Amino acid sequence: NAGVTQTPKFQVLKTGQSMTLQCAQDMNHEYMSWYRQDPGMGLRLIHYSVGAGITDQGEVPNGYNVSRSTTEDFPLRLLSAAPSQTSVYFCASSYSGTISYNSPLHFGNGTRLTVT
Amino acid sequence: KNEVEQSPQNLTAQEGEFITINCSYSVGISALHWLQQHPGGGIVSLFMLSSGKKKHGRLIATINIQEKHSSLHITASHPRDSAVYICAVRAEGGSQGNLIFGKGTKLSVKP
Repeated sequence: NAGVTQTPKFQVLKTGQSMTLQCAQDMNHEYMSWYRQDPGMGLRLIHYSVGAGITDQGEVPNGYNVSRSTTEDFPLRLLSAAPSQTSVYFCASSYSGTISYNSPLHFGNGTRLTVT
Repeated sequence: KNEVEQSPQNLTAQEGEFITINCSYSVGISALHWLQQHPGGGIVSLFMLSSGKKKHGRLIATINIQEKHSSLHITASHPRDSAVYICAVRAEGGSQGNLIFGKGTKLSVKP
């Protein structure tokens, strides 16, 4: 199993450009999420999904879009990149997102994004 | 106020030492996760627990629900244990998406 695959690993954008960060998992996980990690701060949730066709906002959703058309894929779109979006982005998945069920998180290797 | 506090922020140890990293939280939880982030950046889930104690190799995680506190212990530490250790809690009634993360403890084990 590949687990959670994130691409690209590194990306440099100019202000105003758009791009999509890809995330795919092959574990048939219901729950998928995107986090950003900034120096001196804990991981912060951007968007998440508890199943195909269902997405919801996290703590810091502004400037980002997501969709979940399949169980496997959960891309994150930056609509118009800003320097404040310079960060390391992680995709994570787990078996179930339901309230009554806890399951371990599986993370991708991260995408280091710089916006100039 | 941070809902998840980790201590210490930074920790340097000599190879072979017993290490303890602490996590305190202020909300009722349904689960607590310990994660390890390698120097290369990848994040791995070490433990998920809601009560008692779990052990995996040289790593032990404990949780005291009444005191809202968890500890991660590393026995016979090794330089390859050098990483950032992150505590995260899932609030009671919250979705899997509502994990609250600590800022991490950076551990450096010297040979």
